[in-house]
Amino acid sequence: ETGVTQTPRHLVMGMTNKKSLKCEQHLGHNAMYWYKQSAKKPLELMFVYSLEERVENNSVPSRFSPECPNSSHLFLHLHTLQPEDSALYLCASSQDLPQSSYNEQFFGPGTRLTVL
Amino acid sequence: RKEVEQDPGPFNVPEGATVAFNCTYSNSASQSFFWYRQDCRKEPKLLMSVYSSGNEDGRFTAQLNRASQYISLLIRDSKLSDSATYLCVVTSNTGGFKTIFGAGTRLFVKA
Repeated sequence: ETGVTQTPRHLVMGMTNKKSLKCEQHLGHNAMYWYKQSAKKPLELMFVYSLEERVENNSVPSRFSPECPNSSHLFLHLHTLQPEDSALYLCASSQDLPQSSYNEQFFGPGTRLTVL
Repeated sequence: RKEVEQDPGPFNVPEGATVAFNCTYSNSASQSFFWYRQDCRKEPKLLMSVYSSGNEDGRFTAQLNRASQYISLLIRDSKLSDSATYLCVVTSNTGGFKTIFGAGTRLFVKA
């Protein structure tokens, strides 16, 4: 396995379902991110984890719940979603947070989520 | 005003053409600047970082103008494979850690 992997690649769920998205990075990075990409809109940063601690939550509704059990894995738990939450959810990782230096973010292929 | 704004696309150019994209950002305290490329139905990938002194990578040249708060990307001798969406990305650490993506500029290079 190389880079950043995400499962599942596609997910269809009802508004009352509970599901989880999984991300795994094999790069030895310290920072991981969740992004949302909706049609015709820019990528929106949702959550940032550094060394397994959440460092940023960009006003994301509580129906999205992230979990970072270790530096290689990141989950996004979903419950009682709305149809407007349908989007591509991208995970990314970087060596460190790009606060004082340039850190490339490596993206996974994304999970295409459809909420019915 | 959007935090990061890009040229509206799409740009349709013939092979061999030179094309330039601009991007403006609103936060003067922004720290890092990047151009990412996203192919259709694929994830974004870093094309190049943008440094204060400007930098070049083959056919690609990136410039940063902090005074005017914009960055640019110049592509020379366009190839068909350059067709993609180009994303301007700006990071800052004011008011919390932020990575802001522009909406992207679509480029079509035609034979």
